[in-house]
Amino acid sequence: EVQLVQSGAEVKKPGESLKISCKGSGYSITGYWIGWVRQTPGKGLEWVGIIYPSDDDTKYSPSFQGQVTISADRSINTAYLQWSSLKASDTAIYYCARHVEGEILIDLWGQGTLVTVSS
Amino acid sequence: QLVLTQSPSASASLGASVKLTCTLSSGHSSYAIAWHQQQPEKGPRFLLKLNSEGSHTMGDGIPDRFSGFTSGAECYLTISSLHSDDEADYYCQTWDTGRVLFGGGTKLTVL
Repeated sequence: EVQLVQSGAEVKKPGESLKISCKGSGYSITGYWIGWVRQTPGKGLEWVGIIYPSDDDTKYSPSFQGQVTISADRSINTAYLQWSSLKASDTAIYYCARHVEGEILIDLWGQGTLVTVSS
Repeated sequence: QLVLTQSPSASASLGASVKLTCTLSSGHSSYAIAWHQQQPEKGPRFLLKLNSEGSHTMGDGIPDRFSGFTSGAECYLTISSLHSDDEADYYCQTWDTGRVLFGGGTKLTVL
């Protein structure tokens, strides 16, 4: 079965670092873009950024540029979203998503990772 | 720059049909668009994509009660024979000048 499997929920304190993962299963992440989307309670979907694992080309939403880092490890078919210093406002569910090359439309979603940042 | 606009809410009766709209901002048309469904307390699910020529490709396992089409700057998702579990948020999505864009979402209530 083709799917994106995300790492489990995290509870962190402000200022801590975090790296969450998104593993492609049943297909190779090369040849597709992998993106990250944030959703806070009761709100819509907010684009964080996207990576093309074949060449590590990465693009960020201006709202998240400098706040997060997106990376990928082709050898284990996995993409990552990381923070070096979390804030309470980073509390949200983060979804990874596969984007079809060319049109860059999403055709597959991960199940989501809840990140809670609280002192 | 491109903005996708959706009505915040819509409603229709069980068994009826509904058409949801995603409007591209002024001066934009002929974009490929994807539609996604998010049921309460669940993650989003890809429904279908509309290419710029107007044909659509369904997501895996999506029933043919769901369909879509575009007309200029308007992109539509039509759901026929509404079921209770069609009650969800629906988002349109595209790509433009190095950005992934989402509409604000439409909350569909099935009466």
